[in-house]
Amino acid sequence: TQLLEQSPQFLSIQEGENLTVYCNSSSVFSSLQWYRQEPGEGPVLLVTVVTGGEVKKLKRLTFQFGDARKDSSLHITAAQPGDTGLYLCAGALNTGNQFYFGTGTSLTVIP
Amino acid sequence: DTAVSQTPKYLVTQMGNDKSIKCEQNLGHDTMYWYKQDSKKFLKIMFSYNNKELIINETVPNRFSPKSPDKAHLNLHINSLELGDSAVYFCASSQDWTERKQETQYFGPGTRLLVL
Repeated sequence: TQLLEQSPQFLSIQEGENLTVYCNSSSVFSSLQWYRQEPGEGPVLLVTVVTGGEVKKLKRLTFQFGDARKDSSLHITAAQPGDTGLYLCAGALNTGNQFYFGTGTSLTVIP
Repeated sequence: DTAVSQTPKYLVTQMGNDKSIKCEQNLGHDTMYWYKQDSKKFLKIMFSYNNKELIINETVPNRFSPKSPDKAHLNLHINSLELGDSAVYFCASSQDWTERKQETQYFGPGTRLLVL
């Protein structure tokens, strides 16, 4: 069992649809990040959230940190083919000095 | 002007061989990392160095040995390669590791290691 579980693991949708990716844990995080990784490349940071209940928007992407800081969600509105990629959440615990990555969600947006 | 670079990009080798992967960052960051991404795309930290000092050493076989000659470089040497070492290895860097734990990690393009 991984510290951060993401769902769904795979998602294939049509262009223009909306989707939500979830990142869940039983642990409390001091901060949580979302990354997108395209094939053949390394992950790229999208956002960092640090306050329980925090909502951040990045164009068509909306990120929310759970009130208890145990979970997070990523919502994409009107998905586009350019959104295709592997989405990874990563959380930092109150103790220690590393980020733990989630199990990943592979998104395919079909034109 | 690549921020984090790794060499080689692809590495195919036989079991039992010793190989090294090199990583360099030109961002002036103090902290560097090595991650392993398995076939299921799960990304797990292996090592982290801050100003050339080892700060994270996860449960990794001692066949893996990181070396940081200076804070811009973090190399990974692997002895006696095994089939299970096949994976993509990512180097990353961040400005620092602070109590706020909000640092952005910048990842390299990865090294695809295949052990035959």
